Amino acid sequence: TQLLEQSPQFLSIQEGENLTVYCNSSSVFSSLQWYRQEPGEGPVLLVTVVTGGEVKKLKRLTFQFGDARKDSSLHITAAQTGDTGLYLCAGPRSNDYKLSFGAGTTVTVRA
Amino acid sequence: DAGVIQSPRHEVTEMGQEVTLRCKPISGHDYLFWYRQTMMRGLELLIYFNNNVPIDDSGMPEDRFSAKMPNASFSTLKIQPSEPRDSAVYFCASSLDRASSYEQYFGPGTRLTVT
Repeated sequence: TQLLEQSPQFLSIQEGENLTVYCNSSSVFSSLQWYRQEPGEGPVLLVTVVTGGEVKKLKRLTFQFGDARKDSSLHITAAQTGDTGLYLCAGPRSNDYKLSFGAGTTVTVRA
Repeated sequence: DAGVIQSPRHEVTEMGQEVTLRCKPISGHDYLFWYRQTMMRGLELLIYFNNNVPIDDSGMPEDRFSAKMPNASFSTLKIQPSEPRDSAVYFCASSLDRASSYEQYFGPGTRLTVT
């Protein structure tokens, strides 16, 4: 059982459409991170959210941390083909430096 | 600045052979992590080091796996003997020791195929 559950597992949309990816847990996290991984590459950190209720924007990407710090969402507006990839959420376990990763959401943006 | 460097990028070997994967973390980073990624199990932490000292190796699957970090700029992950079920992408990541920051920076990975 994953500590962080991501949904949906797969998402395929047309260029220009919007999409939302979810990351949920029954545990409270001090922070959550979102990574994007492109085929043949390692995950790349997109953002870290720390405060409950926090919203961060990165161009067309909007990240939100739940008020109770148990969940997070990633919303992409007007998706582009360059947004295609595997999106992973991750959070620190207890007080050590290990991260728990969700299983990921594979996003495909069709031209 | 150069990111995390891993070599080789691809490795194909026969069952029973020894495999050594290499990693150079980002200069100045205190933590180094080795992960394995497969379709079935996703991203799994194998072991991590702090200031070259192994802190937690509970994710290492078997005694066939070993990891070392002889200095701050180099780490190896060795599999001996290798088996087909070890086929996966292996990532190295590094992190800076900063309070409340657990951000990790990943290398490009080594795709290992054991036949």
